[in-house]
Amino acid sequence: DTEVTQTPKHLVMGMTNKKSLKCEQHMGHRAMYWYKQKAKKPPELMFVYSYEKLSINESVPSRFSPECPNSSLLNLHLHALQPEDSALYLCASSLTPVGNQPQHFGDGTRLSIL
Amino acid sequence: DQQVKQNSPSLSVQEGRISILNCDYTNSMFDYFLWYKKYPAEGPTFLISISSIKDKNEDGRFTVFLNKSAKHLSLHIVPSQPGDSAVYFCAAGNNDMRFGAGTRLTVKP
Repeated sequence: DTEVTQTPKHLVMGMTNKKSLKCEQHMGHRAMYWYKQKAKKPPELMFVYSYEKLSINESVPSRFSPECPNSSLLNLHLHALQPEDSALYLCASSLTPVGNQPQHFGDGTRLSIL
Repeated sequence: DQQVKQNSPSLSVQEGRISILNCDYTNSMFDYFLWYKKYPAEGPTFLISISSIKDKNEDGRFTVFLNKSAKHLSLHIVPSQPGDSAVYFCAAGNNDMRFGAGTRLTVKP
């Protein structure tokens, strides 16, 4: 059982839809991450939240909008996505945002854009 | 530009033998290096790490070696077991970790 829970597991949406990906952890971790992973490629960092504040945005297009309502929850709001945005979206958390802290990953949301 | 590279997409070894997975990085300022293991339909799970002040870290059957001058790290698994069959990712960085593309390890009984 993963300690980081992502919902939904699968999502199919059209390019004009608005949807949200959700991520939850109850380990008391203060850093949370969104990654995008395409097939046979490494996970690519999108956003880092540190103590509920956005600390890193890796030049992600504005059609992806992260939100951290509290220390346990992380959302990724999606709007007007493109077919190339189809990928596996992974959420992770770590005790602190320092690199030597292992990240705990969810099982991901597989997103398909029609 | 990929700052972390795993040049072998796959590796097959016999049960009981040693598995050696390799990883190269480009940024000499990286301080932390981690290995993750991923089973199908699951997220990566942390395996072992090493910081730049060390050149070896061992945890049971898993040992990570760091060669800073070559900007190279490797993960040794010995003895390899069929349950080790998975995709292994290396990650390197400081506060924002960069991942390699992964190596699929198959351990044959």
